[in-house]
Amino acid sequence: EPEVTQTPSHQVTQMGQEVILRCVPISNHLYFYWYRQILGQKVEFLVSFYNNEISEKSEIFDDQFSVERPDGSNFTLKIRSTKLEDSAMYFCASSESYVTGELFFGEGSRLTVL
Amino acid sequence: TQLLEQSPQFLSIQEGENLTVYCNSSSVFSSLQWYRQEPGEGPVLLVTVVTGGEVKKLKRLTFQFGDARKDSSLHITAAQPGDTGLYLCAGIQTGANNLFFGTGTRLTVIP
Repeated sequence: EPEVTQTPSHQVTQMGQEVILRCVPISNHLYFYWYRQILGQKVEFLVSFYNNEISEKSEIFDDQFSVERPDGSNFTLKIRSTKLEDSAMYFCASSESYVTGELFFGEGSRLTVL
Repeated sequence: TQLLEQSPQFLSIQEGENLTVYCNSSSVFSSLQWYRQEPGEGPVLLVTVVTGGEVKKLKRLTFQFGDARKDSSLHITAAQPGDTGLYLCAGIQTGANNLFFGTGTRLTVIP
């Protein structure tokens, strides 16, 4: 069964360092998303991406964050200068349809900022 | 921010009991989804409801979308230990393309 895959599964970084989280969405899906979940808290929307550009982004997705789909396969989330409060699980998701919005999530990348 | 509040936040029941989880908002959603999340994993879609008043059944799980499309419920009949997990509702507002998640209900079914 097709699935969304994410790497790395866990990354530990120093505050101020740049981090890139990678995702391979399901191959025939057109809409891509990043969400995050701080430990013990709700799943929060960060950004949606369609047709090689950002569709929507939340207040969390500030200038420190960026996304791109460099090669038509990977979908990456970059955090330019990490802060302690960026520590969270980051989930990539993809969907085939805009209308139903049924999202398929990866298993997440745990980011720990020290 | 569109807030989806779930209740209860935590629920611990004995195997065989029935339970209902609620998801409420003041906003109207074009569709609403229920996910289940295991520790250390991503949410897994259970069901999508799109029509006000719609009821969907998935084995022992029954999902209902409110008539006004502002709320939803998940009812589990004869809960089993395998039902243990975090249940999340999530909604898409009309014209939007991002999913807002509820606050979650952590269910524990005791054998």
